[in-house]
Formats: sequence, C-alpha cells, structure tokens
Amino acid sequence: EAQVTQNPRYLITVTGKKLTVTCSQNMNHEYMSWYRQDPGLGLRQIYYSMNVEVTDKGDVPEGYKVSRKEKRNFPLILESPSPNQTSLYFCASSPGLFYEQYFGPGTRLTVT
Amino acid sequence: KNEVEQSPQNLTAQEGEFITINCSYSVGISALHWLQQHPGGGIVSLFMLSSGKKKHGRLIATINIQEKHSSLHITASHPRDSAVYICAVGRTDKLIFGTGTRLQVFP
Repeated sequence: EAQVTQNPRYLITVTGKKLTVTCSQNMNHEYMSWYRQDPGLGLRQIYYSMNVEVTDKGDVPEGYKVSRKEKRNFPLILESPSPNQTSLYFCASSPGLFYEQYFGPGTRLTVT
Repeated sequence: KNEVEQSPQNLTAQEGEFITINCSYSVGISALHWLQQHPGGGIVSLFMLSSGKKKHGRLIATINIQEKHSSLHITASHPRDSAVYICAVGRTDKLIFGTGTRLQVFP
C-alpha cells in the first residue's frame, strides 16, 4: 500500500530537549516536504527536498533541521524545542509539485 | 495580504445543495492543488490543476490562469463532504496554502 508514515503521532516534551520526527514513504518519490499547521494560520512549509542530499528552506525554517540521506526518509529535527513549536506537523511526498501530494497522518507536538 | 485567499471561510449547506469554494492567488504559479482535511486531521489530495477543468465524481475543479482564480464545486452535497477544503499553489519548488474553507453539510 502506497503510504507516508510519521512517528511518533503524538509527542509531549519539554523545552530544550532535542527530538526527531521521522517520515518515510514507499513510493520512490523525489519530492518530500514538512509542514506545520496552526489555527488561523493554516499550513506552512518548513523545509522541502527535491532529492537525496538536496534540501531547501520553506517559509518557516527557524528552529528546525532536516536531512535526506536516503530517498525514502526525511526526518525533521528540533535541536532545542520551544513552546512556539507546539503544532500539528505533516510530512508529504510526491514526484513533484505537478503531481498529487501524499500526506502522512500528522504528528501532534506539544512543547511545555 | 495573503498570497492565497480562500472564500468563504465557513460554509453551511443542506444535503443536496451545489457548493462553490473559491481560491484567488496573487503570485505566478506552476500548479494549484485542492486538498481535503476531515475532522481528525488527515489530508487528502483532491486535484492538481495547471489549466482548465477536472472532474472526479461529484467534485469539479476549475482554474483561470489569467484571472488567478480557481473554484472547487461540489454537486449534490452530502454530510460526508463536511471537511476543511484547502487551496495550495505551487511556486518554484514551494507550496503556499490558503487558510481553508470549513464546510458543514447537514442532512
């Protein structure tokens, strides 16, 4: 089954404790991206990757890191989380922006 | 002003009604996406448009590149259509999203 998986689905953590949210796709897609969704602001792009070892900033990259060492995986790293990073995070993949976007189930992160 | 504007923000309909959701954008784009998000959060891609019109079941999406406007139509609406509908435009390698239209369809 074609899918994008994210782990964990829910996470409560404390300020400053490094965390990683994993994202994996089984469709051999080149384009992968991370988004955050906040009430009233909608979805905003954090980082995206056009292919292995190629990543670029979206609109809200501050406080986040990503890596793309393998085509299927695109982890999101928060080196020192802060309360303003409390949000719902989505990973997505596709062959490119001219194609259907496949979204993961979301990760709800709370930073206290 | 947001680069992608959707209207209306909220929409209530009776089952069977014809529904239109609008999306206007102010930037040059390469593609436009319509997404659906049900309560509980999952996001599903409905359409990708670069020109013209697409139809899938009761859903129709149109785009007018010159006017920088797209519409999503739902014919014979049903309570299961209740969801948030999100317009997103592709610009270079990024996606920019509207804030969504919350649709509630009552029996």
